[in-house]
Amino acid sequence: GENVGLHLPTLSVQEGDNSIINCAYSNSASDYFIWYKQESGKGPQFIIDIRSNMDKRQGQRVTVLLNKTVKHLSLQIAATQPGDSAVYFCAEGSMDSSYKLIFGSGTRLLVRP
Amino acid sequence: DGGITQSPKYLFRKEGQNVTLSCEQNLNHDAMYWYRQDPGQGLRLIYYSQIVNDFQKGDIAEGYSVSREKKESFPLTVTSAQKNPTAFYLCASSPGHHPEKLFFGSGTQLSVL
Repeated sequence: GENVGLHLPTLSVQEGDNSIINCAYSNSASDYFIWYKQESGKGPQFIIDIRSNMDKRQGQRVTVLLNKTVKHLSLQIAATQPGDSAVYFCAEGSMDSSYKLIFGSGTRLLVRP
Repeated sequence: DGGITQSPKYLFRKEGQNVTLSCEQNLNHDAMYWYRQDPGQGLRLIYYSQIVNDFQKGDIAEGYSVSREKKESFPLTVTSAQKNPTAFYLCASSPGHHPEKLFFGSGTQLSVL
């Protein structure tokens, strides 16, 4: 669990700045996409999801953007806080795909005080 | 508190030994899942179960076995046939039969002695 963040791309941001974490997905037929946050030694935590018929969805301090043309997903975190430091990964799923999610490998976000 | 409980948090396996990882949920969810997480990789599905007394193989089921005798419980056994068992194991559940809203446990780190 503590080694999950090794070998991952890292994004370092100043506290208070906005963060943008990107994800390229693989299946153009995916129906929904999910962002998870995973802190060291813990299980992933759901952040926000978006359906394939949407381009943008906003939550509390987070926004997910979906660009189906280039199969790209991004997570924007506004006013990044030290508690946002974690590994973030995306997942894609399809209602036809027998209960399988495809997970990305993740990006480590480090927030500098 | 409602949630998913995994135990133990750390587990060590000797050569040729079978070990069982516990997963209990009190969320009244029908579906439960086991994932394996390796450093720098996305989560991979080992087994899933949509209903009591039924379970299906995921992408990497070889060397693992599960049971679903109760709705609340979905234990995973890592058998001696699994030659590379060192990983972080995550149990999850979802209210519906699709993994759109996965709730994860805190994980078990399994290491080989």
